[in-house]
Amino acid sequence: KQEVTQIPAALSVPEGENLVLNCSFTDSAIYNLQWFRQDPGKGLTSLLLIQSSQREQTSGRLNASLDKSSGRSTLYIAASQPGDSATYLCAVRPPSNTGKLIFGQGTTLQVKP
Amino acid sequence: DAGVIQSPRHEVTEMGQEVTLRCKPISGHNSLFWYRQTMMRGLELLIYFNNNVPIDDSGMPEDRFSAKMPNASFSTLKIQPSEPRDSAVYFCASSFSGSSSYNSPLHFGNGTRLTVT
Repeated sequence: KQEVTQIPAALSVPEGENLVLNCSFTDSAIYNLQWFRQDPGKGLTSLLLIQSSQREQTSGRLNASLDKSSGRSTLYIAASQPGDSATYLCAVRPPSNTGKLIFGQGTTLQVKP
Repeated sequence: DAGVIQSPRHEVTEMGQEVTLRCKPISGHNSLFWYRQTMMRGLELLIYFNNNVPIDDSGMPEDRFSAKMPNASFSTLKIQPSEPRDSAVYFCASSFSGSSSYNSPLHFGNGTRLTVT
């Protein structure tokens, strides 16, 4: 059974710092991995999607990497800003044709001005 | 693109009452998911539909929960009778899943916050 773990559960950093969020999964047989952001009282917003054949994806100050063989992904946030404060969740998609995702518990990030 | 639309945004009801949550997926998406989020258990998949057909409802906690998707643009999640432990945020999400667009991102609605007293 696929399990997704995110460490740490919470993280607080000063503004401007570069940071890394971690995600691990137990079964390397995945089709893709997605990183989401969730603001309080809101739904999840997709940030980056890495296909199983890819090693990384970048969007602005965000860079996500994927190492399938070791069951790990990282989300790198450069030059963090207070507006980056949110909960970040990763989710893996097992081999199927219906799009089902399995989520981690998330890392709650606070960027202090 | 209006995104995934859920209603109501908030629902407060008394134990024993019937609750119906509604979702309109993004037009053109053929997969629809109902998730429940709590502090204790995180984000749990309750049920998902592909082309309006329920594919996996193993996440539905009890027979009190039921979901329907009568057409491609509407789905409901019903709880009858509701209990205090059903209090949570319920999210609907949609995506396109197909042989040529296999890796479509999942789009979430803003959720319905349910409180059962």
